[in-house]
Amino acid sequence: GAVVSQHPSRVICKSGTSVKIECRSLDFQATTMFWYRQFPKQSLMLMATSNEGSKATYEQGVEKDKFLINHASLTLSTLTVTSAHPEDSSFYICSATPSGGARETQYFGPGTRLLVL
Amino acid sequence: QKEVEQDPGPLSVPEGAIVSLNCTYSNSAFQYFMWYRQYSRKGPELLMYTYSSGNKEDGRFTAQVDKSSKYISLFIRDSQPSDSATYLCAMSELAEYGNKLVFGAGTILRVKS
Repeated sequence: GAVVSQHPSRVICKSGTSVKIECRSLDFQATTMFWYRQFPKQSLMLMATSNEGSKATYEQGVEKDKFLINHASLTLSTLTVTSAHPEDSSFYICSATPSGGARETQYFGPGTRLLVL
Repeated sequence: QKEVEQDPGPLSVPEGAIVSLNCTYSNSAFQYFMWYRQYSRKGPELLMYTYSSGNKEDGRFTAQVDKSSKYISLFIRDSQPSDSATYLCAMSELAEYGNKLVFGAGTILRVKS
């Protein structure tokens, strides 16, 4: 149980284009999902907290207009990197907290590797 | 000073050794403590989680939390080459919906056969 998927697993795009990453909880409902970014040999940095049916909460220094988050259902959250630039190249990982379950735990997706040329 | 400090390693041990991984933290409000394992180019996998102080054992893994010292540990007994990965500690305060996790830098573990 507690499986989280992400799509795509890897994406290469040109500078200036937008990229959408999907995060799905496959066998549980998730009121809250989180988006992280991880640079090589570094730990996970929280970008934003996504709550179903409401606006996402962004961490300090994360541009909300650049990283658009939509949490339209209890099993799906999307992150759109708008007008991507090479410095946005990174490993993006989502996590989900089961609704009504152990809210202190998070289950992570396999990550999406973004390369902006 | 970072909220969570973790030695990045790498830590190299022979197969069968007991491994000790540790994190220290500064925020006394942290209540939940977790250990994740991350293989290269994969998402983190939850290994253990504990609430407040104490020990928790699951198979070859034992997690310890000492809130008075702001120190947590993960012990791996009879380590295997398949345990080679990056181990991340994470912790959070009490919150109603989906606690925000603060991660350590991760310790790279290499178990040699």
